[in-house]
Amino acid sequence: QKEVEQNSGPLSVPEGAIASLNCTYSDRGSQSFFWYRQYSGKSPELIMFIYSNGDKEDGRFTAQLNKASQYVSLLIRDSQPSDSATYLCAVGVSGNTPLVFGKGTRLSVIA
Amino acid sequence: EAGVAQSPRYKIIEKRQSVAFWCNPISGHATLYWYQQILGQGPKLLIQFQNNGVVDDSQLPKDRFSAERLKGVDSTLKIQPAKLEDSAVYLCASSLGTGPFEQYFGPGTRLTVT
Repeated sequence: QKEVEQNSGPLSVPEGAIASLNCTYSDRGSQSFFWYRQYSGKSPELIMFIYSNGDKEDGRFTAQLNKASQYVSLLIRDSQPSDSATYLCAVGVSGNTPLVFGKGTRLSVIA
Repeated sequence: EAGVAQSPRYKIIEKRQSVAFWCNPISGHATLYWYQQILGQGPKLLIQFQNNGVVDDSQLPKDRFSAERLKGVDSTLKIQPAKLEDSAVYLCASSLGTGPFEQYFGPGTRLTVT
């Protein structure tokens, strides 16, 4: 049973701070890792993906992957109230196996 | 580039009635997914198509849910008869291929069963 675990939150951070969102996964064969943002009442929107160990930066977002620890994180720098949403972690294995989604972490950025 | 299209956006039905949802994926995307998302949960895969063939339907409640993608493009998901616990958002997503590719979601259909 492949599992993806996230703290459901809410994670509250002040405006301008760094928000750190974490995700652990159970399948050591996992190869691809995605972060989706989902605003209330909306569908998930892809914001980052990472395949290799280390950091990947895109604007204010940084994804960090540590395959040895089976851990992937998303850092949001200079957090804004508009970043308030639920962040879903999704993990993929090779072949036809579909992505497995976590339950999401709710982030609240306080102005 | 047009995104994933879904209709209707909202649907309210009584239990035991039937309902159908439609999805048109991003042009050129061979793989299409239907997910069920209950409030407070992550998306749960119901069925995955590669072109017009089923890749994974292990979590589809086949006694009441059915889906098809006859020409390898559009897809429909049907529930018959609906139960109260089917109240959820039904999301369609597409990707270039099977496996660990990024998926893009449509706006979803919010179903309420009364």
